[in-house]
Amino acid sequence: SQQGEEDPQALSIQEGENATMNCSYKTSINNLQWYRQNSGRGLVHLILIRSNEREKHSGRLRVTLDTSKKSSSLLITASRAADTASYFCAYPINTNAGKSTFGDGTTLTVKP
Amino acid sequence: GAGVSQTPSNKVTEKGKYVELRCDPISGHTALYWYRQSLGQGPEFLIYFQGTGAADDSGLPNDRFFAVRPEGSVSTLKIQRTERGDSAVYLCASSLSGTNNEQFFGPGTRLTVL
Repeated sequence: SQQGEEDPQALSIQEGENATMNCSYKTSINNLQWYRQNSGRGLVHLILIRSNEREKHSGRLRVTLDTSKKSSSLLITASRAADTASYFCAYPINTNAGKSTFGDGTTLTVKP
Repeated sequence: GAGVSQTPSNKVTEKGKYVELRCDPISGHTALYWYRQSLGQGPEFLIYFQGTGAADDSGLPNDRFFAVRPEGSVSTLKIQRTERGDSAVYLCASSLSGTNNEQFFGPGTRLTVL
């Protein structure tokens, strides 16, 4: 079973709106990553945030990390139809382990 | 440069058969991961290699599953006596090292056990 939880499970918005997805976890981590997946195949890495960082930006993406609440959020601004995909957070099980846990993802639909 | 590649892209087999799934990681990446993903769920960790050795195989569901990486590059995931419940997309990923590095994923192999 997965140790992370993402919410919402599904999100439907209009093009141009912002989309926010949240991830909660239960263990101590040294980094957390967000991935995107189209059509149930390979995942694409979006952004990595380390435990000593609170916020990170990449283009239209903004990721926050609150280690006190064991939660992270991914914000996509000015969404486009091409952003339609599933988004997953992932983090190492132990602080120095290669083993990562993925949440069950948020399915985002952006309507043109 | 080339990304992570996986072959075959699709594999249909009958219950009880043996299958091998191959992963070619990005050149120079020492860490390699196998995941399994069922419909509507996130990837589930199976095994992680650092170089030639399996650093963590705690995700392998049972002894029918085995993976090797004999030369520290290409890896093969082997499933014996396949069962219908093994049907899933098997994803491989590689990274520069095992920690604090982004993982680069292959397109996956969709395994269907009839």
